[in-house]
Amino acid sequence: QVHLKESGPGLVKPSETLSLNCIVSGDSINRGYYWAWIRQPPGKGLEWIGNLYHSGNTYYNPSLKSRVTISVDTSKNQLSLNLTSVTAADTAFYYCARQGISPYSTSWIQFWGQGSLVTVSS
Amino acid sequence: EIVLTQSPGTLSLSPGERATLSCRASRSFSSKYLAWYQQKLGQAPRLLIYDASSRATGIPDRFSGSGSGAHFTLAISRLEPEDSAVYFCQQYSSSPITFGQGTRLEIK
Repeated sequence: QVHLKESGPGLVKPSETLSLNCIVSGDSINRGYYWAWIRQPPGKGLEWIGNLYHSGNTYYNPSLKSRVTISVDTSKNQLSLNLTSVTAADTAFYYCARQGISPYSTSWIQFWGQGSLVTVSS
Repeated sequence: EIVLTQSPGTLSLSPGERATLSCRASRSFSSKYLAWYQQKLGQAPRLLIYDASSRATGIPDRFSGSGSGAHFTLAISRLEPEDSAVYFCQQYSSSPITFGQGTRLEIK
């Protein structure tokens, strides 16, 4: 069974950079799936942020593309998210996830982390 | 991007009844690239259905998905109290991946 666990600061100041890590266990990031970040403002819907293939190819939601970087550290089996110039609108639960097997960058979300709440506030 | 609209917003049913949840896309898919998720309070979403009608591992056969084109349905038969949750649909026919706004299912 694949397990994903997010970690990072729970509070970020406006205009600063949100940084989260996700440790993957029970699978190798090198094994050929797309690994994604998804967020959910409290009480609201889900927004796909972007994903990364083990080769390093990344795909981002156009709505966030100018501010997002997703990267991987294969030695740690860890996925990372950086989101720059945050505002209160970026307050959300951030989930890392493994997408289902597919030759395409888009697929269903098979495994989810427990989520990490990040609040943007001064 | 493809916008998904779910209906109804809230559904209130009794144990043993059948729930039918709708997900409509802003444009038709040429493939069945649609998934359904269940999210209970305070938890991450859980995959129920992928490719419109394939059940994920461990999902009971009370849950079934159908549809194609621009209209998809999730049916839950023989409702149980534990089915209380918010249900989301998701399309992966084109990038960016998008989700519906959710249907809240309440079991009376």
